[in-house]
This record gives sequence, structure tokens and C-alpha cells, in this order.
Amino acid sequence: GESVGLHLPTLSVQEGDNSIINCAYSNSASDYFIWYKQESGKGPQFIIDIRSNMDKRQGQRVTVLLNKTVKHLSLQIAATQPGDSAVYFCAENINSGGGADGLTFGKGTHLIIQP
Amino acid sequence: DAGVIQSPRHEVTEMGQEVTLRCKPISGHNSLFWYRQTMMRGLELLIYFNNNVPIDDSGMPEDRFSAKMPNASFSTLKIQPSEPRDSAVYFCASTSWREGTDTQYFGPGTRLTVL
Repeated sequence: GESVGLHLPTLSVQEGDNSIINCAYSNSASDYFIWYKQESGKGPQFIIDIRSNMDKRQGQRVTVLLNKTVKHLSLQIAATQPGDSAVYFCAENINSGGGADGLTFGKGTHLIIQP
Repeated sequence: DAGVIQSPRHEVTEMGQEVTLRCKPISGHNSLFWYRQTMMRGLELLIYFNNNVPIDDSGMPEDRFSAKMPNASFSTLKIQPSEPRDSAVYFCASTSWREGTDTQYFGPGTRLTVL
């Protein structure tokens, strides 16, 4: 079946630098995408989302970019901090219009912030 | 806001025993999801409910797994009999799709170990 996948399992960046985490999705019918952050021993924490009618959305220090042409999603974190160290997941779903639907998650990228 | 509440946080049991995981969604949310997380398969959707009604249980591994949602504030995931391969972290998530958002909020998870 179709699935969401990540290019890099581990990303190491220097504190203060910007980081970019990438995600490829294969289901062209997906119209809603979310980035989650998961720290050790905790549940996934919502970071930012984007719908398919947009190609960019910004939050506090984070930006999500969506390229529907190549089915690519990215999460940019500006001025990384030690607290940003975690595993980041992209997730997708299809808005069926009849209510909430389950998410399909990527495998995750482990972001390591070097001091 | 208490967030999604799951119990127990940790469960260790022996093969063949019955295991019951519990979840209290965020008050006012009308959709509830059960996910399982393993190193090999990542985060997988098991089943979800809209307005207490099971919508899609295609992710439930086999008949040993069952889930119920008797009311809007409580859900259970039961494994009977349990097997070592069921060892994983089980997450519950909830959302309120009436508000036009699909953002799912996750609980802290239950770490299940089947010996």
C-alpha cells in the first residue's frame, strides 16, 4: 500500500543553526499533512499542519513546505535549540468529509542538536 | 486542559494473559484513535471511533485485539490472549473534527511488555 517515508533517519545540526527535515509521501489523494515531535518516553506532540491548498505555513520558529508536484513535505526549524532534539514524524490523511480519519505516519527522523 | 489520559503507563504481563488498556480523550473531542508504535513498524493506526462508533478497524492485527468506546469519555483496547509480539507502545489520540480541524492530540502512551 501507499505510505509516507522519510529520506534521512538521523540529522545532526549545531545549536543555533537551521534544520530541515524532509518527508516524501506517495498518496496523491492526501490533503492534510502534520508534523509531530516525539521526545523519549512521550507521545507525539503536534508541531504544525498544512492543507493541500497551501504550499507554505509558518509557526513559531517552524515552517512547513508542501510541494504537491513531487509529493514532498519539509519541516524547517530555525535557530535550533537543545530542546528541539527529538524524533520528528510527518503524517498524512485524506479528508473524507464524513468525519475524522486516521493518520498514516512516516518512519521518523531523529534530530540531534549538537552543543 | 488535562490532555488525553492513558492508563496504565506501563504494563508487564505474561503470554496468554488478557491485557486492557484505557483511554480518556480530551473533553469535547468526538473522535478517538488507537495507534501502536514499534521500532520495526513505526506508528500504525489500529482503530478509530467517531462519535463513539467504530469507523475503521482494518489496522487491528487479529481477532485477539478488540476495542470499545462505551461513551464519549472512555475507550478500551483489549488483547486476549496476549503474545510477545504484541509488545509495543500503544497510543490513544483524540480530535474534534466538528471544529474543522484534523489535528490529533496524543496521550503519553502505554508501554506493554509481554513476556
